[in-house]
Amino acid sequence: NAGVTQTPKFQVLKTGQSMTLQCAQDMNHNSMYWYRQDPGMGLRLIYYSASEGTTDKGEVPNGYNVSRLNKREFSLRLESAAPSQTSVYFCASSVSRGEQYFGPGTRLTVT
Amino acid sequence: QKEVEQDPGPLSVPEGAIVSLNCTYSNSAFQYFMWYRQYSRKGPELLMYTYSSGNKEDGRFTAQVDKSSKYISLFIRDSQPSDSATYLCAMTKGNAGKSTFGDGTTLTVKP
Repeated sequence: NAGVTQTPKFQVLKTGQSMTLQCAQDMNHNSMYWYRQDPGMGLRLIYYSASEGTTDKGEVPNGYNVSRLNKREFSLRLESAAPSQTSVYFCASSVSRGEQYFGPGTRLTVT
Repeated sequence: QKEVEQDPGPLSVPEGAIVSLNCTYSNSAFQYFMWYRQYSRKGPELLMYTYSSGNKEDGRFTAQVDKSSKYISLFIRDSQPSDSATYLCAMTKGNAGKSTFGDGTTLTVKP
């Protein structure tokens, strides 16, 4: 039982490049989330998916797109990376009441 | 004005001390309350989950919720160097699953 897994662990991009962050969970949770975490700014919600087939914007969605591929997988895409997107990205999943289980994170640097 | 305010810290205590970590919130719609622990360069991990006002104990950890005052606390008894981490409070409205997080308090327990 791996919980929530994320790939890659680290990534360096140049401005304008694109990439997809992958997330998968094996806990049969309905809801999945993408956050970014920056120093002094806590966890900020980018997008979330309350159930398979639905996605909604969070607090900071600009510059990102998501796909809920199936119940297990939720990917985050940066179409044209910018230095402001340098951050640590966390994926999480939850049962409906709110307690969330986080992945190990992806450290992204955009130069 | 943020919906969830967390004591910013940082907090430094000697080993064996009792630690109190606190959050206040402004929206009475919050029903579920969580505490997460995040070690450096790791993802947050769920530490405590509570629903009603009152205390919930788990080993050296006690989560306290006072809905009338819109105040939650996490107490750590007999603190250990291994408790050194950032602690995040979070809360959820109803069954929406989407949580609002505090910015975190960084705790250092010195041997």
